[in-house]
Amino acid sequence: DAGVIQSPRHEVTEMGQEVTLRCKPISGHDYLFWYRQTMMRGLELLIYFNNNVPIDDSGMPEDRFSAKMPNASFSTLKIQPSEPRDSAVYFCASSPRQETQYFGPGTRLLVL
Amino acid sequence: GESVGLHLPTLSVQEGDNSIINCAYSNSASDYFIWYKQESGKGPQFIIDIRSNMDKRQGQRVTVLLNKTVKHLSLQIAATQPGDSAVYFCAENGGSSYKLIFGSGTRLLVRP
Repeated sequence: DAGVIQSPRHEVTEMGQEVTLRCKPISGHDYLFWYRQTMMRGLELLIYFNNNVPIDDSGMPEDRFSAKMPNASFSTLKIQPSEPRDSAVYFCASSPRQETQYFGPGTRLLVL
Repeated sequence: GESVGLHLPTLSVQEGDNSIINCAYSNSASDYFIWYKQESGKGPQFIIDIRSNMDKRQGQRVTVLLNKTVKHLSLQIAATQPGDSAVYFCAENGGSSYKLIFGSGTRLLVRP
């Protein structure tokens, strides 16, 4: 299995631009999670989906952040407009059941 | 006030020695626990998990111990190798089957 796939691996953009992060979960996994990791706050859960339906988005910081899962093999996390404080590593993880999560390699986002 | 960055505790061990990484969890309702290893520039990698009906579980070179009385979790790594150098995170499910709550992590440094 290829594992969780994320793209792009690195993104550098200017403040105010739209950023779209992509994730392909492991085939057959019903749960998908988006996390953000920073030195200041560690690993934070932003949102998770079950069978393509958003279940808990309480970790999404602001309305500038949105996430979708149009089908079982694809999810996006969008930031519009981006700000320098959004700079972080964004991870996608998937799970075949309710607990054990398998992480992707992350997208390193830098907003100038 | 001034913000303080996340300070990771560090464990330094000699190659070949055993390592013990400790974690105190917060929620007495947690019934599932998991350890992740994160190498520089990579996503967290699943190591081993344990349910609350067990107090010990062994994997390849790793052992997880759970003490529910004092809400303490530990990860033991036998014959530590340079490739074990990473940040190790414990996580608990908080009694929920859907989300994991991550600790702040411990950095393991292996001296040659």
